[in-house]
Amino acid sequence: AQTVTQSQPEMSVQEAETVTLSCTYDTSESNYYLFWYKQPPSRQMILVIRQEAYKQQNATENRFSVNFQKAAKSFSLKISDSQLGDTAMYFCAFMKHTGNQFYFGTGTSLTVIP
Amino acid sequence: GAVVSQHPSRVICKSGTSVKIECRSLDFQATTMFWYRQFPKQSLMLMATSNEGSKATYEQGVEKDKFLINHASLTLSTLTVTSAHPEDSSFYICSAPQSSPNQPQHFGDGTRLSIL
Repeated sequence: AQTVTQSQPEMSVQEAETVTLSCTYDTSESNYYLFWYKQPPSRQMILVIRQEAYKQQNATENRFSVNFQKAAKSFSLKISDSQLGDTAMYFCAFMKHTGNQFYFGTGTSLTVIP
Repeated sequence: GAVVSQHPSRVICKSGTSVKIECRSLDFQATTMFWYRQFPKQSLMLMATSNEGSKATYEQGVEKDKFLINHASLTLSTLTVTSAHPEDSSFYICSAPQSSPNQPQHFGDGTRLSIL
């Protein structure tokens, strides 16, 4: 079974500063995908960034980047130059390479303070 | 634009009513769709996997007779909450996978169900 753990229920960051959200996972799979989703108050699920486990290079998407440590089963999200619109719930998710089912973490509520 | 349409976005009804929620994939076919339930400030909990042309696969603890799932076509899955009670009040979200390396799952905008 796959489990995804987010140990930070709530975090806050000053506008324009950098914040890192933690995620660890447990799996026996060797190939899989990892994702970070953002859920603002509107409750829409918005894909922030994705990482393929067989790629060693950390994914980057504008102000968002990940630190993927496969051996440690760690997948943290770094948000640089935080903006007020980044305020949301952030979910880490795991998907097997051979399937479509997502396994979500418990979420981190991020507040960007003006 | 949205690639998965979920309807309705909000439902308020009396206890004992059955409520149907639709999830449609737009511009792509989805032989599989997923239904999630989300309580306030909590994560998305997978309820069931909807399979086109066959029975849905329910997660442990989810009542099949309470949450009826029908995947009538390659673009439509429905979740019917039968004889809804206040404890069924929640936010329900569907998703559909697409064979795209950049966007493996498309989520609907969710349905907020409130049972009085």
